[in-house]
Amino acid sequence: NAGVTQTPKFRILKIGQSMTLQCTQDMNHNYMYWYRQDPGMGLKLIYYSVGAGITDKGEVPNGYNVSRSTTEDFPLRLELAAPSQTSVYFCASIQSGPRWRTNEKLFFGSGTQLSVL
Amino acid sequence: TQLLEQSPQFLSIQEGENLTVYCNSSSVFSSLQWYRQEPGEGPVLLVTVVTGGEVKKLKRLTFQFGDARKDSSLHITAAQPGDTGLYLCAGEVGAGNMLTFGGGTRLMVKP
Repeated sequence: NAGVTQTPKFRILKIGQSMTLQCTQDMNHNYMYWYRQDPGMGLKLIYYSVGAGITDKGEVPNGYNVSRSTTEDFPLRLELAAPSQTSVYFCASIQSGPRWRTNEKLFFGSGTQLSVL
Repeated sequence: TQLLEQSPQFLSIQEGENLTVYCNSSSVFSSLQWYRQEPGEGPVLLVTVVTGGEVKKLKRLTFQFGDARKDSSLHITAAQPGDTGLYLCAGEVGAGNMLTFGGGTRLMVKP
């Protein structure tokens, strides 16, 4: 299994440009999450999805959009890039959501480092 | 503002010392997880706690879940340089399925 795959690994954008960060998982997980992590800080939830066709806002959704047309894919869209969106972006998935009863864990992608100049 | 507050934000100690990291919220969690993250990588799960008052041990690491399930702590005994990293707590907050992380505690253990 490949797990959670994120592309690209690195990207530099100019202010006002748009781009899509791709996230794909092959574990048939229902729950998927997008986080951003600023240097030395914790992860902030941008958007999440509990299944195909269902998405919801997290803590910091402004400036981003998501879609979940299939179970496998959960792309994150930046429409008008701003310097404040410079960060490392992590996609994660889990089978049954956060109501864990065992050591079920979040599977993370390797991250996308985005710089907006 | 983080929904989960971690303290301290930074901690620098000598090898062999003990330390405690805290994770607090005004919300009740159904369960809570602790992760450790190294530079350039995603977080790695350390433990899940699900019952109020629960204590779990992982070698030199002891995790506690508060009786009211609003707080948790991570205690490291005789810290080693290999413990250096960013420690994150994560839990479900509010209704629905938002899975949020704390701001993290960056630990440095000097030899």
